[in-house]
Amino acid sequence: AQSVTQLDSQVPVFEEAPVELRCNYSSSVSVYLFWYVQYPNQGLQLLLKYLSGSTLVKGINGFEAEFNKSQTSFHLRKPSVHISDTAEYFCAVTRGSQGNLIFGKGTKLSVKP
Amino acid sequence: KAGVTQTPRYLIKTRGQQVTLSCSPISGHRSVSWYQQTPGQGLQFLFEYFSETQRNKGNFPGRFSGRQFSNSRSEMNVSTLELGDSALYLCASSPGQPTDTQYFGPGTRLTVL
Repeated sequence: AQSVTQLDSQVPVFEEAPVELRCNYSSSVSVYLFWYVQYPNQGLQLLLKYLSGSTLVKGINGFEAEFNKSQTSFHLRKPSVHISDTAEYFCAVTRGSQGNLIFGKGTKLSVKP
Repeated sequence: KAGVTQTPRYLIKTRGQQVTLSCSPISGHRSVSWYQQTPGQGLQFLFEYFSETQRNKGNFPGRFSGRQFSNSRSEMNVSTLELGDSALYLCASSPGQPTDTQYFGPGTRLTVL
């Protein structure tokens, strides 16, 4: 079985500070990795995904993530956050043969002025 | 391209009733997946339909069912509603490969009284 662990349920940070949202996964097979963002009362929007190749993935809104196979991690980073980044962030995986997303519990990012 | 649309956006039902939710995918997408989001369990996969066939199924009771039409629109039905079925139901569409991005609709908020 595979699972996704987001280590922090809430992350408060000041505007213009850097942030890292942590994600670890467990799987016995190759996986594809995704980060989604959910703003209040909205659906999920893809920030970035890792399929193969370069382990550093750049996404929308200045976010990036690094795939680390040895540590089974896929942490999301942004060098300088804005108030508008306040939202809930979900890490997810799909297994090679099946496309259903398996999500972590989410991390609520709160950016304070 | 128009995004994924879900109707209705909000729904209030009482225990024992049944409900049908609708999802219209992005034009050209053949896969529609359904997810349930609750504060306690997070985001959980219900099922996926591809070209009118259920291709993948999560771990939910048989009261949860779905179907897909020839135009890729999908419906989800929940019979004999329970209080615990109160949730945000999200559908996502994609072309159909595990590596494809899943695009989410805004969700249907179901409240069971």
